[in-house]
Amino acid sequence: GENVEQHPSTLSVQEGDSAVIKCTYSDSASNYFPWYKQELGKGPQLIIDIRSNVGEKKDQRIAVTLNKTAKHFSLHITETQPEDSAVYFCAAKGFKTIFGAGTRLFVKA
Amino acid sequence: GAVVSQHPSRVICKSGTSVKIECRSLDFQATTMFWYRQFPKQSLMLMATSNEGSKATYEQGVEKDKFLINHASLTLSTLTVTSAHPEDSSFYICSASNRGWDHYEQYFGPGTRLTVT
Repeated sequence: GENVEQHPSTLSVQEGDSAVIKCTYSDSASNYFPWYKQELGKGPQLIIDIRSNVGEKKDQRIAVTLNKTAKHFSLHITETQPEDSAVYFCAAKGFKTIFGAGTRLFVKA
Repeated sequence: GAVVSQHPSRVICKSGTSVKIECRSLDFQATTMFWYRQFPKQSLMLMATSNEGSKATYEQGVEKDKFLINHASLTLSTLTVTSAHPEDSSFYICSASNRGWDHYEQYFGPGTRLTVT
């Protein structure tokens, strides 16, 4: 079946450094790629998304890139802060929305 | 942005009883609602999808008679876990979407922690 692979599963960075999370999808029909941030004990929160007709999108410290040919998309967080610590999920939507396994990001002060 | 609420946030029930979880879209019409289950340190597992006024579509392996879903209005969906057992203990999260949106963006509720004793 369709799947989304997400790497790394855990990422630890120093405050102020950048963090990059990468996802690969298998469904060629996927045309919408959201990213969610989930804090402990809470539901996922949509932080940024990208459509298939766009290669890059930026919102302040967060950016997402998409390579449809390679079926890769990535989340980039610059100038990380301790409050960025959370679990991040990528997803790819074709007929269904498929979620990655999640990346636990730790930002050390 | 779109806001989704869930109630209760936490519930403890005894084995054999039923528990109902409510999911509401507060500032938009949710033509589609999704119910997920999440185990500790794992990703979201889709249980079922429901469109307003229609029967829910359950994912393979999810018992529809055990997890009753009702989506009677454009702002409310409920999940009832019937005859709950300890193995049903989990974090249940709903999300809502509007099919009029470009790409069916999903907005998630805060989740409900169910503990069955």
